[in-house]
Amino acid sequence: AQKVTQAQTEISVVEKEDVTLDCVYETRDTTYYLFWYKQPPSGELVFLIRRNSFDEQNEISGRYSWNFQKSTSSFNFTITASQVVDSAVYFCALSDADYGQNFVFGPGTRLSVLP
Amino acid sequence: EADIYQTPRYLVIGTGKKITLECSQTMGHDKMYWYQQDPGMELHLIHYSYGVNSTEKGDLSSESTVSRIRTEHFPLTLESARPSHTSQYLCASSDPGETDEQYFGPGTRLTVT
Repeated sequence: AQKVTQAQTEISVVEKEDVTLDCVYETRDTTYYLFWYKQPPSGELVFLIRRNSFDEQNEISGRYSWNFQKSTSSFNFTITASQVVDSAVYFCALSDADYGQNFVFGPGTRLSVLP
Repeated sequence: EADIYQTPRYLVIGTGKKITLECSQTMGHDKMYWYQQDPGMELHLIHYSYGVNSTEKGDLSSESTVSRIRTEHFPLTLESARPSHTSQYLCASSDPGETDEQYFGPGTRLTVT
């Protein structure tokens, strides 16, 4: 069975601090996809990144970066120089390569960035 | 840019009423999903569809039903709303291509009094 764990329920940081959100996953599949979504207070889920299980290259997009480590089954998300607008709930998700019923979300991490 | 729409955005309704939450997407995606989420909490898959005339129940048991008569439309119906149905309902769709990324609608916040 697939499972996604986000051990950090809530994190608070002060603006401009760096923060890392942890994501650990479990799957028996050799091909799978990992995602991060952001859910601001408005409630809509915003796609941030998708990573193929065969691509372990880290990715940077502006202040966001992702560290994919297959050896530890982790896909951590770092925000550098955090801003108040980064305050949201962040969800990590896992999908197998088959037809989508095995799309599993983690419980989410609520990030509060204080001014 | 994803084009997936949900109406209404907010709904307050009395116990026992029948309601239908609408979800439409213009991307031609075969797969569509309904999730139930309490504010800031986990998403729970309640229904999904692989295409027209295909519907399946998700991981979380739900008293709602869905239909998929057209590719672009995936409405969710509660025959008799109860206070325990108060939640946010998120609709999503995905293209069964390489990545299966899900695109989400803005959600419907339902309150049953």
